[in-house]
Amino acid sequence: GQQVMQIPQYQHVQEGEDFTTYCNSSTTLSNIQWYKQRPGGHPVFLIQLVKSGEVKKQKRLTFQFGEAKKNSSLHITATQTTDVGTYFCAVHASGGSYIPTFGRGTSLIVHP
Amino acid sequence: NAGVTQTPKFQVLKTGQSMTLQCAQDMNHEYMSWYRQDPGMGLRLIHYSVGAGITDQGEVPNGYNVSRSTTEDFPLRLLSAAPSQTSVYFCASSATGTSGTQYFGPGTRLTVL
Repeated sequence: GQQVMQIPQYQHVQEGEDFTTYCNSSTTLSNIQWYKQRPGGHPVFLIQLVKSGEVKKQKRLTFQFGEAKKNSSLHITATQTTDVGTYFCAVHASGGSYIPTFGRGTSLIVHP
Repeated sequence: NAGVTQTPKFQVLKTGQSMTLQCAQDMNHEYMSWYRQDPGMGLRLIHYSVGAGITDQGEVPNGYNVSRSTTEDFPLRLLSAAPSQTSVYFCASSATGTSGTQYFGPGTRLTVL
């Protein structure tokens, strides 16, 4: 089945520092989605990337899709305590899979 | 519009007991799925459905059954609970298959003793 690696597993930062999580696939992707799960909560959709090289921004969050459509990154500028949570990528392989495969997630811990 | 609802929120079972986790959505979504979440393992797909009457296995289906008699409901049955099934279970739905946003329910935290 579809394999997706997400790194790092954990990241501790001081408030105000930047943060990046990476999602890598061995196969070409149709699209990639990013979700955020707050502690004790459920995953919530953040964004979807579809085009090769696509870059999207949401306030302090920047999402990139690789040129080969095999990897993606989520970058947070100047983290805040409200950014705490686990960030998941979810991928659909090219050729179509009905349900996405989720990465293992990166847990972000922000120290005030 | 309640979105995706799950009951119960918490459940404790003894080994060998059976139970059904309920999931319902009011968004008329065709696609529904069940995931389990364990520490460090992310979200692993148990079973999914692409429409009423159609279900299929995911990555970790053993020990679980599903059915989809209506568009709205997608219950997950544990036939004979085992401690290895202690986990947080999430139900999700989406309008389309290959690019649809997944809407998750609040989860059921299950402990099997």
